[in-house]
Amino acid sequence: GIQVEQSPPDLILQEGANSTLRCNFSDSVNNLQWFHQNPWGQLINLFYIPSGTKQNGRLSATTVATERYSLLYISSSQTTDSGVYFCAARDDKIIFGKGTRLHILP
Amino acid sequence: EAGVVQSPRYKIIEKKQPVAFWCNPISGHNTLYWYRQNLGQGPELLIRYENEEAVDDSQLPKDRFSAERLKGVDSTLKIQPAELGDSAVYLCASTPFGWSGAFFGQGTRLTVV
Repeated sequence: GIQVEQSPPDLILQEGANSTLRCNFSDSVNNLQWFHQNPWGQLINLFYIPSGTKQNGRLSATTVATERYSLLYISSSQTTDSGVYFCAARDDKIIFGKGTRLHILP
Repeated sequence: EAGVVQSPRYKIIEKKQPVAFWCNPISGHNTLYWYRQNLGQGPELLIRYENEEAVDDSQLPKDRFSAERLKGVDSTLKIQPAELGDSAVYLCASTPFGWSGAFFGQGTRLTVV
């Protein structure tokens, strides 16, 4: 089955900084998503991005399926961006990485 | 459009007691998933339904866990009896036919004492 690895596991940044989170997957996937898990535990959809680049405000994501990785960019970080970011790839089931815990300092 | 709805949001029970979680997926979504998330970990699949059929329950501890999805809509996940190690967040997700991304509910945080 597909393996999903995320890096870095933890990231501490000052408010206003930019960040890049990486997701590597072990096999070709047709479906990749990025989620933000809020402090209450809910997984919030950020991007469904099997390939290409998408942008939503300060967030953008790029998936290069042929090279088996995806990147999530957060620009001008705010304290509300803190939390855990997961990427997930779909085999028959949805397989999650272990997440990147992002902490934005005021 | 309403999202995936789960209840209860929180549950505290004593070990050996039964507990049940309920999930109402997004209307029209044929695939439903139950995931368990332990503290500091990513979610892990317990069971996947295609309509009313459980197509992947290989990770469901069947000695104490059971699930059903009647009429291919709502689903219930049950634990009986609960153990201390079952403390976790239980997440339900649904996806439409053709799959354009999964949508998760708010989860049920279970604490077994």
